[in-house]
Amino acid sequence: QKEVEQDPGPLSVPEGAIVSLNCTYSNSAFQYFMWYRQYSRKGPELLMYTYSSGNKEDGRFTAQVDKSSKYISLFIRDSQPSDSATYLCAPYNYGQNFVFGPGTRLSVLP
Amino acid sequence: EPEVTQTPSHQVTQMGQEVILRCVPISNHLYFYWYRQILGQKVEFLVSFYNNEISEKSEIFDDQFSVERPDGSNFTLKIRSTKLEDSAMYFCASSGAGSRSYEQYFGPGTRLTVT
Repeated sequence: QKEVEQDPGPLSVPEGAIVSLNCTYSNSAFQYFMWYRQYSRKGPELLMYTYSSGNKEDGRFTAQVDKSSKYISLFIRDSQPSDSATYLCAPYNYGQNFVFGPGTRLSVLP
Repeated sequence: EPEVTQTPSHQVTQMGQEVILRCVPISNHLYFYWYRQILGQKVEFLVSFYNNEISEKSEIFDDQFSVERPDGSNFTLKIRSTKLEDSAMYFCASSGAGSRSYEQYFGPGTRLTVT
């Protein structure tokens, strides 16, 4: 089983839609769950992160972690064409290195 | 807003040549990293650096790779004898100390093309 898995997409949605991006992981030691956004041929940009299980909201973005099922989600409300990018999840724990998922490519159509 | 910068943005080199990729991390950050992303593939960890020494390295980071912080601002990745399979985007990242060490900020990357 791969350490971090994401549906690669591409996921195409109309502008204004609610987007759900998902990630699963295998290592139960992970405590921090990062979401990065990567535009084409650019570096990953830290979007938000959560610690342990639960939800965290930041504007139109909500991150959700269920450690019991090792499942991470990122929800985007009122999606915009500028949200079109690849979204990378990266679980983390102190003493370990980031393990990036392969990313989900999102396209928001105007 | 402070940011990580990298130079050059694109480097073309011939197989067997040495290359040095340069990064200027965010000024008050203490942890520095290099990652690689082969076209169409995931971002892969290469090495982390703290207190002037390597703290972790991956299997990819073999003897042909080295890192250095030659002064108070630059952080470099050297590839001694490049191979075709080293062609990739190389990202530098940095993070602060303590509880902020997991907030890694990435540079725009250097695209390395080995011919």
